[in-house]
Amino acid sequence: QVQLQESGPGLVKPSQTLSLTCTVSGGSISSGGYYWSWIRQHPGKGLEWIGYIYYSGSTYYNPSLKSLVTISVDTSKNQFSLKLSSVTAADTAVYYCATLGVVAATPSAFDIWGQGTMVTVSS
Amino acid sequence: EIVMTQSPATLSVSPGERATLSCRASQSVSSNLAWYQQKPGQAPRLLIYGASTRATGIPARFSGSGSGTEFTLTISSLQSEDFAVYYCQQYNNWPLSFGPGTKVDIK
Repeated sequence: QVQLQESGPGLVKPSQTLSLTCTVSGGSISSGGYYWSWIRQHPGKGLEWIGYIYYSGSTYYNPSLKSLVTISVDTSKNQFSLKLSSVTAADTAVYYCATLGVVAATPSAFDIWGQGTMVTVSS
Repeated sequence: EIVMTQSPATLSVSPGERATLSCRASQSVSSNLAWYQQKPGQAPRLLIYGASTRATGIPARFSGSGSGTEFTLTISSLQSEDFAVYYCQQYNNWPLSFGPGTKVDIK
């Protein structure tokens, strides 16, 4: 059973870059069948999909964040990562990594989630 | 972008009663809709995908229905562990989008 674990700094200064990593265990990130995704949840609010990466390196980002987001994959470490640049207080949120099922390039639901990591943007 | 709305925002239900939650999409998403349950301090958990298929390990008291733009999640007899926030999410169009959630609390 695939499990996900987020890691990274819990505090980031405004205008800096937020960097998080999701480590995949119990399965190979290169096996296909998933879009490896990032989702965030502002405090007390709903869920916002940030983007995904496929093991091949292809990506798709939410247009609302596209200019600021980079998602990358390291298949040798079985990890994928999120970088969000020029952060402001509005980027304070719990960040989740999750698997988005995919069949024939068609997405399905987010079936496996990491526990989430809280990131606060503050000087 | 497809906008998802959910109603009501809060639903107060007594244990053992039936709960009916609604989700609406701003345009058709076919049956490409999922429901999630989130408890405080936890990640969301997938309950339903394909509008009506229960995910692995989800009790039969959870059922989903609908297609197009109107969807329903029904919890047939609420258990204490079911009090939580429920989100719907469409995966028919990019970008993927979630509803704002319905909080089910104890009456």
